[in-house]
Amino acid sequence: ELKVEQNPLFLSMQEGKNYTIYCNYSTTSDRLYWYRQDPGKSLESLFVLLSNGAVKQEGRLMASLDTKARLSTLHITAAVHDLSATYFCAVDSLQGAQKLVFGQGTRLTINP
Amino acid sequence: DSGVTQTPKHLITATGQRVTLRCSPRSGDLSVYWYQQSLDQGLQFLIQYYNGEERAKGNILERFSAQQFPDLHSELNLSSLELGDSALYFCASSVRSGGILSSYNEQFFGPGTRLTVL
Repeated sequence: ELKVEQNPLFLSMQEGKNYTIYCNYSTTSDRLYWYRQDPGKSLESLFVLLSNGAVKQEGRLMASLDTKARLSTLHITAAVHDLSATYFCAVDSLQGAQKLVFGQGTRLTINP
Repeated sequence: DSGVTQTPKHLITATGQRVTLRCSPRSGDLSVYWYQQSLDQGLQFLIQYYNGEERAKGNILERFSAQQFPDLHSELNLSSLELGDSALYFCASSVRSGGILSSYNEQFFGPGTRLTVL
């Protein structure tokens, strides 16, 4: 069974600092997705990573995928308060049920 | 705005009751997915429909059922409700059919329905 684990689950950081959220998954997949969720809101698609070595960047966020290590990272550069949210990674289940399996989410709080 | 709509936004009901949640996918998307989000279980996949047919099942209770209609909107029916069914229910849609070799499965989420069972 595909399992997806994120760490850390909670992250409190200062504005202007850099940090990385890690997403590990248990079985072979080359399709990984990052989503953002604000409190009480829906999930917003941030990045789609489709191959080993894929890197995507949008503003202060950069996501990468290493399929051999079964690891994706979401790097935050010079954090600003507006990036406070919960971030989820999800992996495409290539076998059996065609579904996304989500990590637990990382609740990111950026303090002024 | 993802283009996926869900109604109602909020639903408050009592234990033992039955409710229906409705979802309209993005224009052109044939797949609809239902997810349950709760504090203790996280984001759990319930069920997928593709062009009117059930395609995949996840952790969906027998008390829950869903269907997708010819106009592609979908309904999730929850019956014999229990306190533990209180959660956010999301619908998502994608173009992908679910085949292993088909295109990637980026899913677009609706605003959700917050269900409170008292």
